[in-house]
Amino acid sequence: ETGVTQSPTHLIKTRGQQVTLRCSSQSGHNTVSWYQQALGQGPQFIFQYYREEENGRGNFPPRFSGLQFPNYSSELNVNALELDDSALYLCASSSPQRGVTDTQYFGPGTRLTVL
Amino acid sequence: GENVEQHPSTLSVQEGDSAVIKCTYSDSASNYFPWYKQELGKGPQLIIDIRSNVGEKKDQRIAVTLNKTAKHFSLHITETQPEDSAVYFCAASMADSNYQLIWGAGTKLIIKP
Repeated sequence: ETGVTQSPTHLIKTRGQQVTLRCSSQSGHNTVSWYQQALGQGPQFIFQYYREEENGRGNFPPRFSGLQFPNYSSELNVNALELDDSALYLCASSSPQRGVTDTQYFGPGTRLTVL
Repeated sequence: GENVEQHPSTLSVQEGDSAVIKCTYSDSASNYFPWYKQELGKGPQLIIDIRSNVGEKKDQRIAVTLNKTAKHFSLHITETQPEDSAVYFCAASMADSNYQLIWGAGTKLIIKP
């Protein structure tokens, strides 16, 4: 069974640029959630994708957007980067069951630094 | 809004001793409570979870207890080992979502040799 993978591992961008982060879900999982984790804090939910559609969103501005592909892999896009976007971006995959909260499995993350 | 409080923020225990981390949640409708371990430079790893229809769950040296009346749940690690050193996060499900979790602030566990 293949776990959740993310690329790239590290990324350095400058303010105002755009970035795309990628995630491959664990084998058998059709749902991907994205989180932002600032240094020393817990993960903050950005959004979730299920069957190629956004299934829920946290308190993040529209410049954070995403995609999910037919193979359930996903991308997180961030436009007009700000210094505060510097964080570890985590992807988690799950396989929802009706009426039961998902068990989510995380990838290793992408460390984004905005200068 | 809903929140999860986690204590302590740092816990230092002697190798071989037990460690206990406690979390309190605010939403009485929360029904799923996972615990994650995060090592430096890595993503969170699920170590144990519990649902609201169960009061206690154990997996080898790790156990979680849930008190729904008091709205708190705890992680217990027995016979601690150096590899248990990490940051531990608790989380609770949001009532109107079957996927969104509210996370605690984390506990840095240090195992002293």
